Amino acid sequence: DTAVSQTPKYLVTQMGNDKSIKCEQNLGHDTMYWYKQDSKKFLKIMFSYNNKELIINETVPNRFSPKSPDKAHLNLHINSLELGDSAVYFCASSQRGLAGGQRQETQYFGPGTRLLVL
Amino acid sequence: SQELEQSPQSLIVQEGKNLTINCTSSKTLYGLYWYKQKYGEGLIFLMMLQKGGEEKSHEKITAKLDEKKQQSSLHITASQPSHAGIYLCGARVGGSSASKIIFGSGTRLSIRP
Repeated sequence: DTAVSQTPKYLVTQMGNDKSIKCEQNLGHDTMYWYKQDSKKFLKIMFSYNNKELIINETVPNRFSPKSPDKAHLNLHINSLELGDSAVYFCASSQRGLAGGQRQETQYFGPGTRLLVL
Repeated sequence: SQELEQSPQSLIVQEGKNLTINCTSSKTLYGLYWYKQKYGEGLIFLMMLQKGGEEKSHEKITAKLDEKKQQSSLHITASQPSHAGIYLCGARVGGSSASKIIFGSGTRLSIRP
């Protein structure tokens, strides 16, 4: 009963290929995210979707295209993979709203997809 | 833009000892998160702090947010091997329409038996 799941866990591919990473959450959250963690373990947001609508796009190359078929899924498609795309990609989800008058948007993360581009 | 600095970058502690990890922001923090990451796994949510002076504890881990809301510390008491991993602090930024979390560079904690 994993809360946020990602597939595949590992992905090794050649430069120039197109690949997709899938993410699903069963928490009933309305917001999902994609983060990239580089070799120095620095974690940066890439995209955020709320109710299937793109709300954050952090200057990510056009080769990256997120798609949200429904609130529970946010997939990431990458075209023409480059060496610099090698990283760990994390999906996360949260529920917008207030609790006790305070904004509460704790994000819950998936296990990550380790992408290696050769 | 807001930046988060964590210190130390890495820490090796004898099992049973206490330790503290710090997270400092260049701007006021509105929502400070602590996560733990084990190798090969995702981020595990530990705690969230919002109010100046707030302090939360879970088992042997205590997190505090200072009154000015620009610095947070994570304190582990009587460390155990299970505490080993990378600790990340994150700050929520952005308005009501689109908020995101920016993360510090992490603190790698190793526990020596």
